[in-house]
Amino acid sequence: QVQLVESGGGLVKPGGSLRLSCAASGFIFSDYYMTWIRQAPGKGLEWVSYISSGSFYPKYADSVQGRFTISRDNAENTLHLQMNDLRAEDTAVYYCARQIITATKVGANYFDPWGPGTLVTVSS
Amino acid sequence: DIQMTQSPSSLSASVGDRVTITCRASQAISSYLNWYQQKPGKAPKFLIYAASSLQSGAPSRFSGGGSGTEFTLTISSLQPEDFATYYCQQSYGVPLTFGGGTRVEIK
Repeated sequence: QVQLVESGGGLVKPGGSLRLSCAASGFIFSDYYMTWIRQAPGKGLEWVSYISSGSFYPKYADSVQGRFTISRDNAENTLHLQMNDLRAEDTAVYYCARQIITATKVGANYFDPWGPGTLVTVSS
Repeated sequence: DIQMTQSPSSLSASVGDRVTITCRASQAISSYLNWYQQKPGKAPKFLIYAASSLQSGAPSRFSGGGSGTEFTLTISSLQPEDFATYYCQQSYGVPLTFGGGTRVEIK
């Protein structure tokens, strides 16, 4: 079945770096856009970044632009998020999700499924 | 950026009740509106896409409607497993944005 599993979270000091990974299985990874979404403790969902199937069109939220870099390895079915210059406000559970875009139906652009998430804590 | 506003932010309801959650966009987004359900400690689950198309496998008591700037998620007869937080999300423009969530609690 379709499965996504994040890894790489942990405790890091402000200004530090962390690299998250998301292992995908059960579908043709190279056919899909992929996305990172985060959720601060007790808060709502915030889209972070997405990347096209061929890595051509990475997009970022303003809050992480210039500090985070999304990438993918289609040979290894893996999505990455390199996070630099981390701040306390980056503390969150980070989810990866497959982004489904269907040209045959207006409005068909959604996230399914989501991985279980990995917790990133930025604290001194 | 397109702002998504959900109302109410929380509600209490009983099993069997009909529940409607509203999501408003700060500008017209056609039908680029999705709904997700999240239970405590779990990842969100996709429910509805393109404003009104139900994910295959989702219960038919869930339905979505609207277009432009105003959208609804309706649960026709609330079941115990439906107590959760619901989020709308627009995919019309970048940055992709979510509503603040609506927590559905047991009365």
